Amino acid sequence: EPEVTQTPSHQVTQMGQEVILRCVPISNHLYFYWYRQILGQKVEFLVSFYNNEISEKSEIFDDQFSVERPDGSNFTLKIRSTKLEDSAMYFCASSGTADFYNEQFFGPGTRLTVL
Amino acid sequence: DAKTTQPPSMDCAEGRAANLPCNHSTISGNEYVYWYRQIHSQGPQYIIHGLKNNETNEMASLIITEDRKSSTLILPHATLRDTAVYYCIVRSQTGANNLFFGTGTRLTVIP
Repeated sequence: EPEVTQTPSHQVTQMGQEVILRCVPISNHLYFYWYRQILGQKVEFLVSFYNNEISEKSEIFDDQFSVERPDGSNFTLKIRSTKLEDSAMYFCASSGTADFYNEQFFGPGTRLTVL
Repeated sequence: DAKTTQPPSMDCAEGRAANLPCNHSTISGNEYVYWYRQIHSQGPQYIIHGLKNNETNEMASLIITEDRKSSTLILPHATLRDTAVYYCIVRSQTGANNLFFGTGTRLTVIP
């Protein structure tokens, strides 16, 4: 069964450093998403991406964040200058077609720890 | 998107049916009810969705009341692997495609 993959599984970084989280969505999917979950809190939407541009973003997704689909398979989330409060699990998701009710498939997540 | 209310936690004996309720009294006519679950910090997993008819798939059944103000997710024979946080999410047909997760119900299946 096709699945979303994410690398690395755990990233440790120093405050102020740039990090790039990588995702490989399901190959024929068209919509891509990033969510995050701070330990013990809710899963929060960050950004959605379609047709090589951002389609929606939350207030969390400020200028420190950016997304990119550098080739036909990868989808990345970059945090330019990490803060302690960026420590969280980051989940990538993808969904299939333009149909509204296509379920989103989530990856296993990347645990980001900012020291 | 309409707000949902779920009990924070529930227990269920292994092998019995788990019935997880969700209130969505402000749901509007074009909003679907979705259920996802999250097993111990893994990525959320889609379970089922519906508009107004009851739905069943290999994982669960979804019962939506006639007035659509509440729904129940049924896991017919709960196993220990069903221990997870279950999220009821209402999504607009015309709104953004992203999911808004609440706090969900933590289901613990007891041996």
